[in-house]
Amino acid sequence: SQTIHQWPATLVQPVGSPLSLECTVEGTSNPNLYWYRQAAGRGLQLLFYSVGIGQISSEVPQNLSASRPQDRQFILSSKKLLLSDSGFYLCAWMWAANTEAFFGQGTRLTVV
Amino acid sequence: DAKTTQPNSMESNEEEPVHLPCNHSTISGTDYIHWYRQLPSQGPEYVIHGLTSNVNNRMASLAIAEDRKSSTLILHRATLRDAAVYYCILRNAGNMLTFGGGTRLMVKP
Repeated sequence: SQTIHQWPATLVQPVGSPLSLECTVEGTSNPNLYWYRQAAGRGLQLLFYSVGIGQISSEVPQNLSASRPQDRQFILSSKKLLLSDSGFYLCAWMWAANTEAFFGQGTRLTVV
Repeated sequence: DAKTTQPNSMESNEEEPVHLPCNHSTISGTDYIHWYRQLPSQGPEYVIHGLTSNVNNRMASLAIAEDRKSSTLILHRATLRDAAVYYCILRNAGNMLTFGGGTRLMVKP
């Protein structure tokens, strides 16, 4: 069966520090991968999605970046965190339009 | 993906049916209608999806209007564990998976 792993579950980082969040998928190949951010009490904002290794589409300009070094690995990074980067970060994968999406358990990031 | 419109919040009594509406007047012929729900502090989970015909699964039913410009997610007997934010999303052959504001369902005991 397919599973999605996302870590860490919680993270507290100072302003200006770097960030690296990792997401891996098991039990499938060539999935579409997604990074979302959810601010407190708000909806899900799509940040990046990837349809293959090295292929990244950015939906919102910000100081975050994403990379897909392997088929089932999706990494969200920042060189210098801002206070506004605080939020709940979610990774997801899916195939076609008529199949369901699977979400990780999320990383709650607090920038102090 | 085309836009969907949902009420911000709804209330239901426990063990009663709940009908969650979604309007998608700009839906195209190839758009699938997906529903997800998000429990507090968790990632969204899939509920159901359909194209033209009504769909049933163990979690819910999806009723799709004949013109496909609206749909309704039906929870047959709401429980306290069904309190969540419910998202209605349109998915086509593109790779986007975009969520709107969703409906916050509150279930009263």
